[in-house]
Amino acid sequence: QVQLVQSGAEVKNPGASVKVSCKASGYRFTNYGINWVRQAPGQGPEWMGWNSAYNGNTNYAQRLQGRVTMTTDTSTSTAYMELRSLTSDDTALYYCARSAWGDGVDAFDVWGQGTMVTVSS
Amino acid sequence: QSALTQPASVSGSPGQSITISCTGTSSDVGAYNYVSWYQQHPGKAPKLMIYEVSNRPSGVSNRFSGSKSGNTASLTISGLQAEDEADYYCSSYTTSSTPLFGGGTKLTVL
Repeated sequence: QVQLVQSGAEVKNPGASVKVSCKASGYRFTNYGINWVRQAPGQGPEWMGWNSAYNGNTNYAQRLQGRVTMTTDTSTSTAYMELRSLTSDDTALYYCARSAWGDGVDAFDVWGQGTMVTVSS
Repeated sequence: QSALTQPASVSGSPGQSITISCTGTSSDVGAYNYVSWYQQHPGKAPKLMIYEVSNRPSGVSNRFSGSKSGNTASLTISGLQAEDEADYYCSSYTTSSTPLFGGGTKLTVL
């Protein structure tokens, strides 16, 4: 079946970086974009950005520009999200989510299980 | 961009209908027919329930329906069931070519 499986929970010190992986299966990886969405405790989701699995193009949320990098590895059908210069405000559950229509960002039809990233000294 | 505005909570009894609103601006909800709704049970990932204002993905019950008027979109759940108790989030495509989520609504089935 179509699924996205993410890497495990991370605990990081302020100022560090974190890299989360998202392995896709059950569909042709290059046919759909991968989005990253985070959700702080008790808050609504926040879209972080989109990465085309077809050509590697990216579109990042303005507030994260310069701190985030999203990549895909088509040989392993895996997407990655790296976030740098972490602060306590980055503590959240991080999800990868498939674009429902090719490379669109208007709807997300398959979600990973989430990766908890905790930033604490 | 500020999050789309949703009521913090709504409630209803089994069998009843409820409606959750999602208010944005002419730069998001009012600009396109690209409003989506997600259901999230505790400890679970969001699930797509409605896309493009009123379309249901395969497998989603027809008790869920969506609509839009101006800058406000709505999700209606009819024939409320206990399993519908969850958090619901709206999302809209924006004129910045990015999506914007709402703050979420907690649905309680009494």
